[in-house]
Amino acid sequence: QQQVKQSPQSLIVQKGGIPIINCAYENTAFDYFPWYQQFPGKGPALLIAIRPDVSEKKEGRFTISFNKSAKQFSLHIMDSQPGDSATYFCAASGDNFGNEKLTFGTGTRLTIIP
Amino acid sequence: GAGVSQSPSNKVTEKGKDVELRCDPISGHTALYWYRQRLGQGLEFLIYFQGNSAPDKSGLPSDRFSAERTGESVSTLTIQRTQQEDSAVYLCASSLSGRWDTQYFGPGTRLTVL
Repeated sequence: QQQVKQSPQSLIVQKGGIPIINCAYENTAFDYFPWYQQFPGKGPALLIAIRPDVSEKKEGRFTISFNKSAKQFSLHIMDSQPGDSATYFCAASGDNFGNEKLTFGTGTRLTIIP
Repeated sequence: GAGVSQSPSNKVTEKGKDVELRCDPISGHTALYWYRQRLGQGLEFLIYFQGNSAPDKSGLPSDRFSAERTGESVSTLTIQRTQQEDSAVYLCASSLSGRWDTQYFGPGTRLTVL
């Protein structure tokens, strides 16, 4: 049972465009929603995270939008650059009394073309 | 400071052999997680340690998989009688204590079972 659904599977955007990656979750106990960026041969690295008490969070060129009622959240990358080409994973965790094991989406392979 | 390290980086083994994968978390991090990443897929949770205890082993796929942690530091994931379906990248992550703390991932061990 996949608890976090991510789309699209792959995305090609021209430099300067705004790629948008979407995720939907089922478990209403989730209360922490991070996005991870992974380059080939490397482990995932935290990009940005949001809690459900806010609807949007911005860090630099990265923005998370969160819709609690729809159980959806998305990542927007402003002014995208070729260096942003990577695989992006959404994830969720919550209500595990300290065990914040992450449930991951299946990933989006993003390519930014010059 | 030093991040999470894992060894070996690559492991090729024959079906039926046992393998041990090692994780060195960030010093002082009490929470440690193992995840598995199959080719082109998201990460699946395997096991969570808080200190040297493993309160959540729910992600271990079979009794061929086991893990331990000693000295609130190093962790070893052991796979007995490896099968071809065990081929994946095994990722370790650590966090300061758990609740909402960032999980920092190691580079992973790529396991290939022939």
